[in-house]
Amino acid sequence: GAVVSQHPSRVICKSGTSVKIECRSLDFQATTMFWYRQFPKQSLMLMATSNEGSKATYEQGVEKDKFLINHASLTLSTLTVTSAHPEDSSFYICSARDRGTLSNQPQHFGDGTRLSIL
Amino acid sequence: AQTVTQSQPEMSVQEAETVTLSCTYDTSESDYYLFWYKQPPSRQMILVIRQEAYKQQNATENRFSVNFQKAAKSFSLKISDSQLGDAAMYFCAYRYNFNKFYFGSGTKLNVKP
Repeated sequence: GAVVSQHPSRVICKSGTSVKIECRSLDFQATTMFWYRQFPKQSLMLMATSNEGSKATYEQGVEKDKFLINHASLTLSTLTVTSAHPEDSSFYICSARDRGTLSNQPQHFGDGTRLSIL
Repeated sequence: AQTVTQSQPEMSVQEAETVTLSCTYDTSESDYYLFWYKQPPSRQMILVIRQEAYKQQNATENRFSVNFQKAAKSFSLKISDSQLGDAAMYFCAYRYNFNKFYFGSGTKLNVKP
């Protein structure tokens, strides 16, 4: 089945550093990828929609200069948390849609990245 | 605007018994998709079941089935013969066409041995 690989699974870094998270579709092409953020015991909140070859679409309240998204190929999207601070600590999950599937097919989720900023 | 509501923050069920998780949603669209996802402690999102709004027949997947009431905008999940491995957070989700998911707030399911 379709697999989405997300890397790293866990990262701990100091405040002020930038962190890059990768989301790869391993056996399908993804024209669209989605980035979610999940706080403990809460639901997934969509941060942005990443479209291959174009600018990402950010949800209201999400700082695009803070969370840089690049979708340079049909199999890779990256989320960079710039100048990370403790309040950015969270669980980040990506999902991808197979461009070759019908609209009723579900998206495929990565296993998530737990980001901890000290 | 689309919203998804799960009114049960937490539920408990005895092993081998049946439990129903509730979900309601609001939309002005007529053609859309509904999903139930399971998120165990590992935080991986696992698709449990999906339903196309244009289908009147309720979806079933082994021990999992839904009660889809389009007019009432209700989409409940029934888990039969509950197993310890069913313990997890369950999220109801709505999607219109290829667009983004809207997730409910989740229901934590506890399964008692």
